Amino acid sequence: NAGVTQTPKFQVLKTGQSMTLQCAQDMNHNSMYWYRQDPGMGLRLIYYSASEGTTDKGEVPNGYNVSRLNKREFSLRLESAAPSQTSVYFCASGTGSLNEQYFGPGTRLTVT
Amino acid sequence: AQSVTQLGSHVSVSEGALVLLRCNYSSSVPPYLFWYVQYPNQGLQLLLKYTSAATLVKGINGFEAEFKKSETSFHLTKPSAHMSDAAEYFCAVSDKGSARQLTFGSGTQLTVLP
Repeated sequence: NAGVTQTPKFQVLKTGQSMTLQCAQDMNHNSMYWYRQDPGMGLRLIYYSASEGTTDKGEVPNGYNVSRLNKREFSLRLESAAPSQTSVYFCASGTGSLNEQYFGPGTRLTVT
Repeated sequence: AQSVTQLGSHVSVSEGALVLLRCNYSSSVPPYLFWYVQYPNQGLQLLLKYTSAATLVKGINGFEAEFKKSETSFHLTKPSAHMSDAAEYFCAVSDKGSARQLTFGSGTQLTVLP
């Protein structure tokens, strides 16, 4: 039982390049989330998916797109990377009436 | 809209001393509340959660938190700090809507001094 997995662990992009961050969970959770973590700002929600086939914007969606490929997988795409998107990105999945969330190990992204 | 405030971005305690990390929430209805811990270069791990079943909640690694509605607080405590407790701690509040989003505080970095 791997929990929530993310790839890649590290990535360096040049401004304007695109990339997709991958996330998968094996806990049969309905909800999945993408957050970014910046120093002194906690975690901010980018996009979420309450169930397979649905996605919604979070607090900071600009510059990102997501795909809920199936119940297990939820990807985050940067179409044209900007230095302001340098951050650590976490994927999480949630379950139950309390929405207890489980987090992946993160992807550290640097945009130069 | 709900929000979470963590007082003190950095807290230092001596090994064996009491740990107290503060969290205040703003919500129009009694929320669900969580404390998460993040060790260096790792994801977040759930420490404990408030579900309204009991105001004093016990979590992993000897941590506990008390929900005080009158003070809108959910402070995290541990009677005796250990070196391994050094990490960043996040308080979070969940709405009760269908998506049940979490809103996180800005985090408190705990340093444990020998």
